[in-house]
Amino acid sequence: EAGVAQSPRYKIIEKRQSVAFWCNPISGHATLYWYQQILGQGPKLLIQFQNNGVVDDSQLPKDRFSAERLKGVDSTLKIQPAKLEDSAVYLCASSLNGPDTQYFGPGTRLTVL
Amino acid sequence: AQSVAQPEDQVNVAEGNPLTVKCTYSVSGNPYLFWYVQYPNRGLQFLLKYITGDNLVKGSYGFEAEFNKSQTSFHLKKPSALVSDSALYFCAVREPGNTDKLIFGTGTRLQVFP
Repeated sequence: EAGVAQSPRYKIIEKRQSVAFWCNPISGHATLYWYQQILGQGPKLLIQFQNNGVVDDSQLPKDRFSAERLKGVDSTLKIQPAKLEDSAVYLCASSLNGPDTQYFGPGTRLTVL
Repeated sequence: AQSVAQPEDQVNVAEGNPLTVKCTYSVSGNPYLFWYVQYPNRGLQFLLKYITGDNLVKGSYGFEAEFNKSQTSFHLKKPSALVSDSALYFCAVREPGNTDKLIFGTGTRLQVFP
């Protein structure tokens, strides 16, 4: 069974630039999550999708972050414009039935200069 | 609001010795508790979970965790540590009946010395 795929693995940009991350969940997993993990902290949920609908985006900074999951499969997370404090690892996860066992991708490490 | 605390930034243990990584939680109602492990340059991997039932939960790679309601703790344990267990360990909680959101602790780095 293929795992959660994410790309790119690393990205370096300057502040005020835009960036996009891509995630392909495990086949058949209806629920998809995006987390932000700042160095020294635990992952923080940014947004949760159930199929192509948003379940929870309460911690997503909507003035600069956006996410979509067209067709209920893969997803993109965008930051525009980026700030220095957005430097973090962005993790994508998926689950088959609810959150109790989430499968995580390798993450995208973003550095904002 | 629910939360978890991992009081130790790092735990050092010699190979072959038992290990404990501590976690305490704060939720209203009965919690759903989880442990995840993160190896360098890799995503988090699920280790084990407590939903209900037996307070001692067994998980992957020989790890187990004990749910203690009176002490609001969910410590991760292993009888005999391996050097390959060295990684970052995260405790997480989900409050049933709420959203599906997992709240993660800040993580504990486990270092097992040969």
